[in-house]
Amino acid sequence: AQSVTQLDSHVSVSEGTPVLLRCNYSSSYSPSLFWYVQHPNKGLQLLLKYTSAATLVKGINGFEAEFKKSETSFHLTKPSAHMSDAAEYFCVVIKYSSASKIIFGSGTRLSIRP
Amino acid sequence: GAVVSQHPSRVICKSGTSVKIECRSLDFQATTMFWYRQFPKQSLMLMATSNEGSKATYEQGVEKDKFLINHASLTLSTLTVTSAHPEDSSFYICSAIPGTSGLNEQFFGPGTRLTVL
Repeated sequence: AQSVTQLDSHVSVSEGTPVLLRCNYSSSYSPSLFWYVQHPNKGLQLLLKYTSAATLVKGINGFEAEFKKSETSFHLTKPSAHMSDAAEYFCVVIKYSSASKIIFGSGTRLSIRP
Repeated sequence: GAVVSQHPSRVICKSGTSVKIECRSLDFQATTMFWYRQFPKQSLMLMATSNEGSKATYEQGVEKDKFLINHASLTLSTLTVTSAHPEDSSFYICSAIPGTSGLNEQFFGPGTRLTVL
């Protein structure tokens, strides 16, 4: 079975400091992993995705994530937070089977302090 | 990039009425679309998979007679919430997959906020 766990429901950082949003997955084989961002009352925007190519994936808005198979992790990072980064972030895994589906993590709300 | 729209963006209705939400892929054809539901401060829950020209596949626990899905063309899927009640109030989000692309290429709509009084 495949699932995804976001370890922090809420993360608060100061503007200009690094961001770390944690995500662990469980999968019986190489997964496809994604990070999406959702601003209030808006739809989802793809930040980045891992699909078995380079383990360090660079996304939009300065975000990146590293796929670590040994740790079954896909943490999202950004060197310097900006006020506009305040949003909800979802780690997502694709479950491949006879009926493939996308599985969302519970989400992490990122707050940025001035 | 691929764009998915939803209409309306928000709707308020009285209990017992039916509400239709449209999901359109604007610049690509989508044989498969998905409908999600999101409660406040919670994650997205997949409700059903909408397949063009065939019946939708509903997730366990989702009432197919309550949430009617029609995918009559390659660019339009509709979700009708029948006899809506306050507990149906939620944020409904659709997504679409271009052509024969897999789930790696899923594009999301902006969502529809439904409030049932």
